[in-house]
Amino acid sequence: QVQLVQSGSEVRKPGSSVKVACKASGGGAFSSHTLGWVRQAPGQVLEWMGRVIPSVDVANYAQKFEGRVTFTADKYRSTAYMEMTALTSEDTAVYYCAKVDPFYTLAVWGQGTTVTV
Amino acid sequence: QSVLTQPPSVSAAPGQKVTITCSGSNSNIGGNHLSWYRQVPGTAPTLLIFENDKRPSGIPDRFSGSKSGTSATLDITGLQTGDEATYSCGAWDSSLNVVVFGGGTTLTVL
Repeated sequence: QVQLVQSGSEVRKPGSSVKVACKASGGGAFSSHTLGWVRQAPGQVLEWMGRVIPSVDVANYAQKFEGRVTFTADKYRSTAYMEMTALTSEDTAVYYCAKVDPFYTLAVWGQGTTVTV
Repeated sequence: QSVLTQPPSVSAAPGQKVTITCSGSNSNIGGNHLSWYRQVPGTAPTLLIFENDKRPSGIPDRFSGSKSGTSATLDITGLQTGDEATYSCGAWDSSLNVVVFGGGTTLTVL
């Protein structure tokens, strides 16, 4: 079973950027996984941001985040990254990475990274 | 606000059964598989049900899911105080091209 461990909390000023890491261990080769990113603002519902497929270096983004968010993956470090630019207070949220199984089942979740803007 | 609609809260006594509903449309629940997630405040969601009615290993059979048309239900039998959490449904939406989630249903075991 893969485990996902995310980087620690971040505090940023409006207009700046943040990069969140998600390290995978166990459960097979990192490249065989698809990793999704979901955020949850305080008191709000879960919000899908998109996914990255490390085996082919492809990332897909929800339209809302297109152009402001970049997903990358380092196969050698078994780590996925989510970078968001031009932060505003509305980006204050807990950001989760998750292993995406067939049919967009979010099978395993990281512990979450709190980003405060 | 949420694409998938869930009741905000449900409650029942220990040992009883509760049903949580999730309503959507043809572009999400009606045309794609649904998952259920459990989230205790301050922690990450965990997968409870996938592909409408399948349980991951380690999830007891007290938890069951079903889907019919554009709606789905999560049944929890033999309620325990440890079942208190927020339960959310999620599915791919073929029109929006995103995973959509319900607003979450908070379960209270009285």
